[in-house]
Amino acid sequence: DTEVTQTPKHLVMGMTNKKSLKCEQHMGHRAMYWYKQKAKKPPELMFVYSYEKLSINESVPSRFSPECPNSSLLNLHLHALQPEDSALYLCASSHRDNEETQYFGPGTRLLVL
Amino acid sequence: EDKVVQSPLSLVVHEGDTVTLNCSYEVTNFRSLLWYKQEKKAPTFLFMLTSSGIEKKSGRLSSILDKKELFSILNITATQTGDSAVYLCAARKTSYDKVIFGPGTSLSVIP
Repeated sequence: DTEVTQTPKHLVMGMTNKKSLKCEQHMGHRAMYWYKQKAKKPPELMFVYSYEKLSINESVPSRFSPECPNSSLLNLHLHALQPEDSALYLCASSHRDNEETQYFGPGTRLLVL
Repeated sequence: EDKVVQSPLSLVVHEGDTVTLNCSYEVTNFRSLLWYKQEKKAPTFLFMLTSSGIEKKSGRLSSILDKKELFSILNITATQTGDSAVYLCAARKTSYDKVIFGPGTSLSVIP
């Protein structure tokens, strides 16, 4: 299994809603990432989890809350988002020690109304 | 501040042409250079370069890294319309698994 999966593929939410994005990989990777990508821009790193511990938070607003319940799963909890948070949210994973390639999931396209 | 720069930002070529995409970086604690191809959705991995001067090849694509001059190139020979995409270059740091992406080169291959 060489795949990173993300659900849902698309999400529309209001500014008062609470929703969660999910990411899963079964490649034994110990580093997992959340990126935000706006149209015609490169991915911007949001969070990195290494061995299930948060190792990087790129000054992301608290309305985004990551969670890593186990080594295969990564969640991003969303609450009180703004319309400017609309973007493609990408999850990625990599072996931390021996293999540096990041494998990306297909992304969740989020629209905040 | 760490940065990754790509040039050109966009490029239009005819099928069969050869293209060279450029990536330069200024990154502290540099570890490796990654190339990705992004079409409509998530980036797909192309190459990872760690050592200078060693060319990596995959079909019509090849890439090389120069750690002294801090740049990398991605070559695509005999381009096809399916090569149309945004090509992203990213520098990986040694610390905390951080990856910094360049702005991308948008390549359009016309028949």
